[in-house]
Amino acid sequence: DIQMTQSPSSLSASVGDRVTITCRASQGISNQLAWYQQKPGKVPKSLIYDASSVQSGVPSRFSASGSGTDFTLTISSLQPEDFATYYCQHYYNHPFIFGPGTTVDLK
Amino acid sequence: EVQLEESGGGLVQPGGSLRLSCAASGFTLSDHYMDWIRQAPGKGLEWVGRTRNKVHSYSTEYAASVNGRFTISRDGSKNSMYLQMTSLKMEDTAVYYCVRGRNGLDVWGHGTTVTVSS
Repeated sequence: DIQMTQSPSSLSASVGDRVTITCRASQGISNQLAWYQQKPGKVPKSLIYDASSVQSGVPSRFSASGSGTDFTLTISSLQPEDFATYYCQHYYNHPFIFGPGTTVDLK
Repeated sequence: EVQLEESGGGLVQPGGSLRLSCAASGFTLSDHYMDWIRQAPGKGLEWVGRTRNKVHSYSTEYAASVNGRFTISRDGSKNSMYLQMTSLKMEDTAVYYCVRGRNGLDVWGHGTTVTVSS
């Protein structure tokens, strides 16, 4: 199985900060990677698919890049509603695996 | 509006069975790959299984942790999908989400809670 790691596991940031989260796959997955946002007690929300394509309705401050084994999610200017846990997930082959998550909280 | 609604969760004893349902609205389920994702209390997301679309004969894939115990099926006439769970274990306790497998996992239901406990 392909394993997914994320760094950092958590970070503290302020409104307006630029935030970058990294996701790494244990082997190459081309661009078959997605990012999700989950707020406490809420349903996960899809942000990014195919490593860098933004889902419809997602604010433009969210962007992502990467291919192969290394990927990043960037929030250009953190907003109050962005404090949440972010998960990456590969869909290169089965089983699909999620990363352990990165929690972004208020500094 | 595209929506998914799960139902059927509840409390079940270890070794028991439960069937979850997922009703789709706003799109035709048979045209899409569909997945089940679960989240144990306080934990991260875990992929449970997938059913491909009609073109791919609704074939299925499962996580090793549920293979042989869980079965995904569909009813096109009801625009619905199901997760039959047998031989349930305490570690199957989780919120189970029905998810459309398009552009990653683009549409999520609100989830239904399964608790396996004696």
